[in-house]
Amino acid sequence: SYVLTQPPSVSVAPGKTARITCGGNNIGSKSVHWYQQKSGQAPVLVVYDDSDRPSGIPERFSGSNSGNMATLTITRVEAGDEADYSCQVWDSGSDHPGVFGGGTKLTVL
Amino acid sequence: VQLVESGGGPVKPGGSLRLSCAVSGFSFFGYSMNWVRQAPGKGLEWVSSISSDSAYIYYADSVMGRFTISRDNAKNSIYLQMNSLSAADTAVYYCARSGGDYDRGAMPEFDFWGQGSLVTVSS
Repeated sequence: SYVLTQPPSVSVAPGKTARITCGGNNIGSKSVHWYQQKSGQAPVLVVYDDSDRPSGIPERFSGSNSGNMATLTITRVEAGDEADYSCQVWDSGSDHPGVFGGGTKLTVL
Repeated sequence: VQLVESGGGPVKPGGSLRLSCAVSGFSFFGYSMNWVRQAPGKGLEWVSSISSDSAYIYYADSVMGRFTISRDNAKNSIYLQMNSLSAADTAVYYCARSGGDYDRGAMPEFDFWGQGSLVTVSS
């Protein structure tokens, strides 16, 4: 089955740029979605189809996807961005196509 | 858009439980729907997906043969029948809407989520 690999944690100072990676075999050929989950809350979609933003999501959130790596980039990080971030793909053709990465805890220093 | 899960609670190993998710605020028939779970302190795990007309249904390997997803478009609801439960199934179960319908092998992103329903499997 398809595997998505994320670093367990990323730390960044306020105002700086955070980059959270999501590795997978030829992930560049798939659509990658990113979810933010703050403590005790339900997940929220922040980027879909590699780089599109739902309405209401700040432009500070962006995504890219190429080769074997997708990246969620958060610029001008704020304290309120502290959360778990998970990537997700739909592995078409698989018998069990829904796949999430293990999640990355973003800590704002 | 609102999604409200219900039906969670404590259950003994080997037991069964049926989760429901009632939706409102959008044309339910046009969207695929999904269940995603999160064990305590763990990451998100996809459980199951169903297309708008129930023609396409998928399960995670970990629940295949034990869980059954279904939907009632007349009642704007989806369900997850869970049988042969074990401690490994203890989790918050989220209902999530896809951003459209399953089409040509692709499931859209999960754009709206409920608040979750806790299932605890313990003797």
